[in-house]
Amino acid sequence: DAGVTQSPTHLIKTRGQQVTLRCSPKSGHDTVSWYQQALGQGPQFIFQYYEEEERQRGNFPDRFSGHQFPNYSSELNVNALLLGDSALYLCASSPGQGWAPLHFGNGTRLTVT
Amino acid sequence: SQELEQSPQSLIVQEGKNLTINCTSSKTLYGLYWYKQKYGEGLIFLMMLQKGGEEKSHEKITAKLDEKKQQSSLHITASQPSHAGIYLCGADIGHGQNFVFGPGTRLSVLP
Repeated sequence: DAGVTQSPTHLIKTRGQQVTLRCSPKSGHDTVSWYQQALGQGPQFIFQYYEEEERQRGNFPDRFSGHQFPNYSSELNVNALLLGDSALYLCASSPGQGWAPLHFGNGTRLTVT
Repeated sequence: SQELEQSPQSLIVQEGKNLTINCTSSKTLYGLYWYKQKYGEGLIFLMMLQKGGEEKSHEKITAKLDEKKQQSSLHITASQPSHAGIYLCGADIGHGQNFVFGPGTRLSVLP
């Protein structure tokens, strides 16, 4: 039973570029949440997708957008990258809308130069 | 500002020693979750507490949620090097609100 998978594992981009990160949820899970974790800090909530719609959003600018597909997989897009966007981006899945124990992927390490 | 505070920020203990990590909120928690993270990796779910006064144990780790549901503690008995990592508390802070995490406690266990 595959857990949450994220791709790519590492990514290096230049300021101003755009990036797309991908996530496949754990089998049986239909809700996907995205988090940004800066070095030495706890994860910060970006947004949550359920039934292909953004259901909740944290305090992140519109440069951060997402999508959920009919198979429950999800993408996180970040436009106009800033140096401060460098972080570990974590995807978590859970069954049903809400905060049932989140299952996390190993993340995508994004470095913006 | 952090909605969840954790203490201590970091902890170094000798193998075999007991330790406690605390998680505090200024708001009533509707669910408190403990996770462990190895450096640069995803979070692993440890335990979930929902009722005031609830206590759960798994192997050598015990977590408690106080009666007012605003503070939780994680206690490790007879620590081992395998317990090393970052411990994070996460919580549902209310209806329609986000799921937030504390800043984490970095634990090192010396053999």
